[in-house]
Amino acid sequence: QVQLQESGPGLVKPSETLSLTCIVSGGSINGYSWSWIRQPPGKGLEWIGDISYTGSTNYHPSLKSRVTMSVDTSKNQFSLKLSSMTAADTAVYYCARPDKVAISIDYWGQGTLVTVSS
Amino acid sequence: DVQMTQSPSSVSASVGDRVTITCRASLGISSWLAWYQQKPGKAPKLLIYAASSLQSGVPSRFIGSGSGTDFTLTISSLQAEDFATYYCQQSASFPRTFGQGTKVEMK
Repeated sequence: QVQLQESGPGLVKPSETLSLTCIVSGGSINGYSWSWIRQPPGKGLEWIGDISYTGSTNYHPSLKSRVTMSVDTSKNQFSLKLSSMTAADTAVYYCARPDKVAISIDYWGQGTLVTVSS
Repeated sequence: DVQMTQSPSSVSASVGDRVTITCRASLGISSWLAWYQQKPGKAPKLLIYAASSLQSGVPSRFIGSGSGTDFTLTISSLQAEDFATYYCQQSASFPRTFGQGTKVEMK
């Protein structure tokens, strides 16, 4: 059973860069793409981007200038960096795995709340 | 971007009711549509993939249908554990986009 676990700071200051890591267990990171999705408090889901195990990426156009994703296959983990954080970036951040065929998300991390505040 | 529009935004229903949620895509997405259920404080859970395929372990009362631009999620007989928020998501193109959500509440 694949499990995903996000790790990172719960509090980030405005203008700083958020760094989150997702550790994958129970399966290999190889052969799949991996996603970051966020959800502001009380609001809906927003896809941030995908990274494949080869390192190729797709980012949401509205965040593209601030997002960097990376993958470390040796550690079976992938990461998200989001720069120039503002209060609007306060959200629960999920890492997730899209299925290879239907590309629907069949595995999710539990989510981590990131608050942007001074 | 493909915009996903769900309706209604909320629905009040009782146990045993039939509940229908619709999702409309701004462009044709074939069958590249999934439905998720989310309960408070929890990650979303995949219910339906490829518009009409039931994810393993999901009760058969959840029924997905549609293709192209119009999709439906039907809960044939609402159970107590089904009170939650439901989201559709398209995976036909980047950026992936979600509907705004439909909250199923107790009447």
